[in-house]
Amino acid sequence: DIQMTQSPSSVSASVGDRVTITCRASQGIGSWLAWYQQKPGKAPKLLIYAASSLQSGVPSRFSGSGSGTDFTLTISSLQPEDFATYYCQQANNFPRTFGGGTKVEIK
Amino acid sequence: EVQLVESGGGLVQPGGSLRLSCAASGFTFSSYWMSWVRQAPGKGLEWVANMKQDGSEKYYVDSVKGRFTISRDNAKNSLYLQMNSLRAEDTAVYYCARGNTNYGYWGQGTLVTVSS
Repeated sequence: DIQMTQSPSSVSASVGDRVTITCRASQGIGSWLAWYQQKPGKAPKLLIYAASSLQSGVPSRFSGSGSGTDFTLTISSLQPEDFATYYCQQANNFPRTFGGGTKVEIK
Repeated sequence: EVQLVESGGGLVQPGGSLRLSCAASGFTFSSYWMSWVRQAPGKGLEWVANMKQDGSEKYYVDSVKGRFTISRDNAKNSLYLQMNSLRAEDTAVYYCARGNTNYGYWGQGTLVTVSS
């Protein structure tokens, strides 16, 4: 199975900060990577697919990059509604696997 | 509007069975892969299974192979997850999600608790 490792596991940031989350795959996955945002008690929300494609309706302050084994999710200017947990997910192989999550907290 | 509504969760004893359902609306159900993803209390997301539009392909995470069966009824716009031989570690919120490589729509989830 492909292991997805996210870092950091948590980050404290202020409104307006630039936040970068990293996801590393245990083997190459091309661009088969998605990013999700999840708030407590809610279902995940798709932000980015195919490593860098912005899902419809998602603010442009979210961006994704990378290919192969190393990927990043960047929030260019953190907004109050962005405090949540973020997950990466690979779709190169079965089983699909998620990263362990990165919690973005208020500083 | 796309809607996915799960049902069928509840409390079950170890070794027991449960069948989850997901009612889909607002899109052509028969045109999409469908998936189940679960989340144990306080933990991360775990993909469980998915199924091709016509049912010709099904995939499972190793931990549920031989115990869980994914199925669908395109005439009823419904996805199912039959869960047998349930274990304490299967305790989680189970989400129905649309898609194969990424999941753009999710249900609200249904809680399955396996405990004596």
